[in-house]
Amino acid sequence: GIQVEQSPPDLILQEGANSTLRCNFSDSVNNLQWFHQNPWGQLINLFYIPSGTKQNGRLSATTVATERYSLLYISSSQTTDSGVYFCAVDSGGSNYKLTFGKGTLLTVNP
Amino acid sequence: DTGVSQDPRHKITKRGQNVTFRCDPISEHNRLYWYRQTLGQGPEFLTYFQNEAQLEKSRLLSDRFSAERPKGSFSTLEIQRTEQGDSAMYLCASSLEGLGFPSLNNEQFFGPGTRLTVL
Repeated sequence: GIQVEQSPPDLILQEGANSTLRCNFSDSVNNLQWFHQNPWGQLINLFYIPSGTKQNGRLSATTVATERYSLLYISSSQTTDSGVYFCAVDSGGSNYKLTFGKGTLLTVNP
Repeated sequence: DTGVSQDPRHKITKRGQNVTFRCDPISEHNRLYWYRQTLGQGPEFLTYFQNEAQLEKSRLLSDRFSAERPKGSFSTLEIQRTEQGDSAMYLCASSLEGLGFPSLNNEQFFGPGTRLTVL
């Protein structure tokens, strides 16, 4: 099946810093989603981005489908950005299941 | 709130007991998924429903696990004879089949999860 690798596994920032999280995938995808998992375990949708670039406030994402990677940018980080960020892909087929990476644990210190 | 809901949020049980979890998807979403997440890992796919039909089950879903989605609305996930290895967060997600291009629009929305602890 498709493999999803996220880097870095851990990231520690000072408040106000910028960061880039990367997601590599091993095959072509129909869909790609970025999630933020809060401390209570809730997965919050950030972007649905199988290709192209999107922005939402301080967050933006770019997926280059032909090169099989996606980037999540966080600018002017805040302590509330802390948590685990997951990339998940749907490689097609008949069930549309998402395959997740292992996530990036982001800690933003005040 | 019109998001995906799950019940209960937490469940503690003794090894060997049966447990049942419920998921209510976003109304009008015809696809429903169950995932399992263990500590330090991303969620892993368990099973998928399109309306009331269960179309795929992962190898992770042993014969002690059963899922249903009667009438294509809410879904239940039952674990029989629980084992300590079943301790995990069980997540439900739903999505709406895109008109015209069903394989190209499958944004999934997740519920808050049910955290199971088997003692």
